[in-house]
Amino acid sequence: QKEVEQDPGPLSVPEGAIVSLNCTYSNSAFQYFMWYRQYSRKGPELLMYTYSSGNKEDGRFTAQVDKSSKYISLFIRDSQPSDSATYLCAMRKGSNSGYALNFGKGTSLLVTP
Amino acid sequence: GAVVSQHPSRVICKSGTSVKIECRSLDFQATTMFWYRQFPKQSLMLMATSNEGSKATYEQGVEKDKFLINHASLTLSTLTVTSAHPEDSSFYICSVAKESSGNTIYFGEGSWLTVV
Repeated sequence: QKEVEQDPGPLSVPEGAIVSLNCTYSNSAFQYFMWYRQYSRKGPELLMYTYSSGNKEDGRFTAQVDKSSKYISLFIRDSQPSDSATYLCAMRKGSNSGYALNFGKGTSLLVTP
Repeated sequence: GAVVSQHPSRVICKSGTSVKIECRSLDFQATTMFWYRQFPKQSLMLMATSNEGSKATYEQGVEKDKFLINHASLTLSTLTVTSAHPEDSSFYICSVAKESSGNTIYFGEGSWLTVV
């Protein structure tokens, strides 16, 4: 079993829809959780960075972490065609274990006009 | 603005030759940088952790003699793919941890390597 599981999609939604992206993980040592957006042939761009369980909001994006269930989510409100990209969840252990990230496979999102 | 710069963004080399990829931290000094590899439609896989002034730490299965990493300064790490083969063709991405931002990880734009 991979440590981080993410449905690769593709996920296709109409413009304006609310998008829900999810990852599950198996290692309870993961403490920091991130969502990255990656456009084709580009490096990942950090969207959200969370530590504790609960919600964190930034503009149209909301990151949700449930450590008890080992489940994280990213919600995108009022989705736009420019949101079409691959969304990668990533996580890492505490700082004493270094800063290397464990990634999900990425979910491909297509927002249609 | 960009936090991490990577160069070249795209390179084609002949089989058997070596190619160097540079990763620069633009905003801050980075004692640690990371090199990832991503095959098409796959996730990023950590190759090695680059430590300034000391040897890199390689992940299991990554050949350290093939993927040479040099972290000669606090703002520059290089990855050299030696004796490249077509199966080394991939997207190579570096990242840095920004301590002043709670060790947030920022990525470079990546380098596409094609070995022909």
